[in-house]
Amino acid sequence: DVKVTQSSRYLVKRTGEKVFLECVQDMDHENMFWYRQDPGLGLRLIYFSYDVKMKEKGDIPEGYSVSREKKERFSLILESASTNQTSMYLCASSLSNYNSPLHFGNGTRLTVT
Amino acid sequence: GQNIDQPTEMTATEGAIVQINCTYQTSGFNGLFWYQQHAGEAPTFLSYNVLDGLEEKGRFSSFLSRSKGYSYLLLKELQMKDSASYLCAVRSGSTGANNLFFGTGTRLTVIP
Repeated sequence: DVKVTQSSRYLVKRTGEKVFLECVQDMDHENMFWYRQDPGLGLRLIYFSYDVKMKEKGDIPEGYSVSREKKERFSLILESASTNQTSMYLCASSLSNYNSPLHFGNGTRLTVT
Repeated sequence: GQNIDQPTEMTATEGAIVQINCTYQTSGFNGLFWYQQHAGEAPTFLSYNVLDGLEEKGRFSSFLSRSKGYSYLLLKELQMKDSASYLCAVRSGSTGANNLFFGTGTRLTVIP
């Protein structure tokens, strides 16, 4: 079974702090993704990566950056956290085939106060 | 861009059949996925359609019509544990890597 592990289940940070969300997958997947999920808005793509050191912006990249130094690890960085970044953050990975589903981690609920 | 629509909420009775619809507009269509998400948990993969027609997998079936930009998820013999959100997601190849674009989800409540 594919396992996608997110480092924290719950996180509380203050406005202006730099925040790191870590994600590790154990199935040698090429693609990795960061989504945020908000009530009424569904899952929105922040960034994705299809290879080591490669990254592409999703629909809502503003205020975020990412890092993929190793194939199994994809980090999401909030450079200066703001209250509107309070959300559930979901990491996912997949093979590069079109029919390959995304496998999600359990999510990190981030609260910025 | 991508536009994916599905009903916000549905209620159905245990043992019944329910159909959850999804309509989409996208460029570079590369398949449609359905996910199930229980409250507080991660989405889990249910089905994938890329060709027109019906795919059956146990109590769950998914249908796709590419010409109509339409899909549905059919759940038979509903059980209480089927209460969850069901997410329709379209894979678009027009934006580089194979990312999925999600609808806002349909919250299904199964009542006794």
